[in-house]
Amino acid sequence: DIQMTQSPSSLSASVGDRVTISCRASRTISNYLNWYQQKPGKAPGLLIYGTSSLQSGVPSRFSGSASGTDFTLTISGLQPEDFATYYCQQSYDLPRTFGQGTKVEIK
Amino acid sequence: EVQLVESGGGLVKPGGSLRLSCAASGFTFRTYNMNWLRQAPGKGLEWVSFISERSYVFYADSVKGRFTISRDNDRNSLYLQMNDLRAEDTAVYYCVREGSSWSLDYWGQGVLVAVSS
Repeated sequence: DIQMTQSPSSLSASVGDRVTISCRASRTISNYLNWYQQKPGKAPGLLIYGTSSLQSGVPSRFSGSASGTDFTLTISGLQPEDFATYYCQQSYDLPRTFGQGTKVEIK
Repeated sequence: EVQLVESGGGLVKPGGSLRLSCAASGFTFRTYNMNWLRQAPGKGLEWVSFISERSYVFYADSVKGRFTISRDNDRNSLYLQMNDLRAEDTAVYYCVREGSSWSLDYWGQGVLVAVSS
């Protein structure tokens, strides 16, 4: 199975900050890396697919990038509604696997 | 509008069975791969099972041999038959569609399965 290692597990940030979340795959997954946002009591929602493609309706302050098997989610200018938990997920192979999640909290 | 609505959850004793259903609407169900995922209380996301548009199936090791995924394209429905349930199967279960780059692009609201004596 492909292991996804996500970091940090949590972070505190202020409105307007630039936030980066990292995800490393245990082997090559090409660009089959997706990011999700989950708020308490709600189902997750897709933010970015294929490493860097923004899902319809997602604000442009969210972006994704990659270098080899290292992937990054960047939020440029954190907004109050962005405080949530974020997950990376590989869709290169079955079983699909997720990172452990990053909880973004208000500083 | 894409909608996925799960049903069939509840409280069951260890060793018991449940069948989850997911009613899909707003898209051509038969042309999409579908998945079940789950999330234990306070934990992260766990992928459970996959079924392709042509009914190729795949399972997480944790449920292999106990859970069965199926689909009825005429009824636009996805199912998860869960047998020999264990306490560690307690979770919210989500019905999820695969979209571009096989991302999980639409999620149901989730249904709670609680396994306890």
